[in-house]
Amino acid sequence: DSGVTQTPKHLITATGQRVTLRCSPRSGDLSVYWYQQSLDQGLQFLIQYYNGEERAKGNILERFSAQQFPDLHSELNLSSLELGDSALYFCASSVEVGEQYFGPGTRLTVT
Amino acid sequence: GENVEQHPSTLSVQEGDSAVIKCTYSDSASNYFPWYKQELGKRPQLIIDIRSNVGEKKDQRIAVTLNKTAKHFSLHITETQPEDSAVYFCAASIKRAAGNKLTFGGGTRVLVKP
Repeated sequence: DSGVTQTPKHLITATGQRVTLRCSPRSGDLSVYWYQQSLDQGLQFLIQYYNGEERAKGNILERFSAQQFPDLHSELNLSSLELGDSALYFCASSVEVGEQYFGPGTRLTVT
Repeated sequence: GENVEQHPSTLSVQEGDSAVIKCTYSDSASNYFPWYKQELGKRPQLIIDIRSNVGEKKDQRIAVTLNKTAKHFSLHITETQPEDSAVYFCAASIKRAAGNKLTFGGGTRVLVKP
């Protein structure tokens, strides 16, 4: 167990819908990262937050957004969902400059 | 941006043999290179990492080497066991204040045959 928690574990929804994925970092970690893992794309960095502020952005679609709250948990919002958004979504956390530890992931299925 | 290539994409070894996975990166500013092991349906787990001021690091049966000049790094697993079967990912990043985003290689599926 890495200490990073993610909810829900599984999510099944229809195209066009909106979902929110939640992540709680390890105690003491200020940085949260979101990654998308699909079969043909591997692990892709989406976005990073540090202590409530956006710090780095990767290949995140405009339909996706994220935020980090004062208690340091983070939410990833995915809207206008398409079939191609089906993937495993991982969050990871780290101390200011350190190793990243991954949560168990949320498996999103868009039908 | 950074680009990481990983080879081979699949690797089958006999139990007890060694396995080697190689990665190359493009951004010479990258200074942190972790390796993750991912079992089917599970989260990536950090197994070893190396920083750019070190050429080699070892942890029991796992070792990682880094050649900064050539911009490549490798994972070596000795005396492989069936529980080493998994997908392994290399990654590269630039460690700086307030975190570092990881760019991952495409992964290597390792199968250890008993």
